[in-house]
Amino acid sequence: GNSVTQMEGPVTLSEEAFLTINCTYTATGYPSLFWYVQYPGEGLQLLLKATKADDKGSNKGFEATYRKETTSFHLEKGSVQVSDSAVYFCALSPLGFQKLVFGTGTRLLVSP
Amino acid sequence: DTGVSQDPRHKITKRGQNVTFRCDPISEHNRLYWYRQTLGQGPEFLTYFQNEAQLEKSRLLSDRFSAERPKGSFSTLEIQRTEQGDSAMYLCASGEIVLSTDTQYFGPGTRLTVL
Repeated sequence: GNSVTQMEGPVTLSEEAFLTINCTYTATGYPSLFWYVQYPGEGLQLLLKATKADDKGSNKGFEATYRKETTSFHLEKGSVQVSDSAVYFCALSPLGFQKLVFGTGTRLLVSP
Repeated sequence: DTGVSQDPRHKITKRGQNVTFRCDPISEHNRLYWYRQTLGQGPEFLTYFQNEAQLEKSRLLSDRFSAERPKGSFSTLEIQRTEQGDSAMYLCASGEIVLSTDTQYFGPGTRLTVL
């Protein structure tokens, strides 16, 4: 079946620290991979995506590379800000055009 | 492009009552999805439409749940005889396939509380 596993949170960092949130997946075929972010009291926002192996998605200083050999899509940012505090969800779409399968989310807390 | 909108944003109801939620997708998108999110979990797929056709339903969607998209634009999700276990955030997303990938954009959600 299709599933996504994320590192458990919360992840607590100081401002300007380096961020990594791990995400691994299990899927049949070649899924598309996504990171969504949910700020307090708001809906899910698409952060970045990658549709094939070795693609790198990037947005707002965040990056993630689609690694087929390790079935991973880890989220990274070089220098986090307080405003990055949110819950981050890794997700896959089997074959790229079906329902999303989400991980359980990782809460990030950034302190000044 | 005003994004995906959902109405109401919050709904409190008593057990046994029926509730209906509405979702208005991004206008040019032909695919519409419903998800349910409980506290501390990621969203779980419920059902999706391509235009007015309902193409897939999750086993989570019991007989008490029904979704429609009559003209291929807005959609409604109805829950009959609500139970306390139905309390959750109900999310709607819309998307269209571009280069074999369907990127989904989410609305703000409807938070349902069943007393």
